[in-house]
Amino acid sequence: GEDVEQSLFLSVREGDSSVINCTYTDSSSTYLYWYKQEPGAGLQLLTYIFSNMDMKQDQRLTVLLNKKDKHLSLRIADTQTGDSAIYFCAETAYSSASKIIFGSGTRLSIRP
Amino acid sequence: DTAVSQTPKYLVTQMGNDKSIKCEQNLGHDTMYWYKQDSKKFLKIMFSYNNKELIINETVPNRFSPKSPDKAHLNLHINSLELGDSAVYFCASSQEQEGPGTGELFFGEGSRLTVL
Repeated sequence: GEDVEQSLFLSVREGDSSVINCTYTDSSSTYLYWYKQEPGAGLQLLTYIFSNMDMKQDQRLTVLLNKKDKHLSLRIADTQTGDSAIYFCAETAYSSASKIIFGSGTRLSIRP
Repeated sequence: DTAVSQTPKYLVTQMGNDKSIKCEQNLGHDTMYWYKQDSKKFLKIMFSYNNKELIINETVPNRFSPKSPDKAHLNLHINSLELGDSAVYFCASSQEQEGPGTGELFFGEGSRLTVL
């Protein structure tokens, strides 16, 4: 089946790095995504990684993909208060390329 | 200029009523979706339409009926509302159905439905 799992909460100190982890079950996923949801808003794509890549870096964001373990992580360097949000891991489903399956979301809170 | 817009943003109604949520996208995308987000923030796909044709229909009660009059609009009608229908409903759109591309979803701001 298609399943994406994440831990529900993460608290980090401002300026530290945040690492949000995700495991998925569908090994045929073409793309894996990280979406960000701020309070009262819809989700916005933060970054994505193609399944034949191991790593992708985009400014403060680093995505690591371990296909063998079906593990995806998002590292946010120098975490700021504006990074407080819910972060969703997502994958394209084997059954349909247009179906994107979301994890439960990780709520990131920043301590001063 | 909002890319994906939903109305209403808030909806409070009694059990047993029928209600609709409308969605429009001005991005020229071919595929539109409805997602349901519950109180624990779990996000589940309900329906997907490509060029007015239903392509994804998850296990959703028959009380939920999507309608796509054209590829820029996807409305959601809910009959005989139940307490468990209380959630935030998100409309989204994307460009590609199959083939290369990221399949990025563009979300509306959500419609919070409260059933009393």
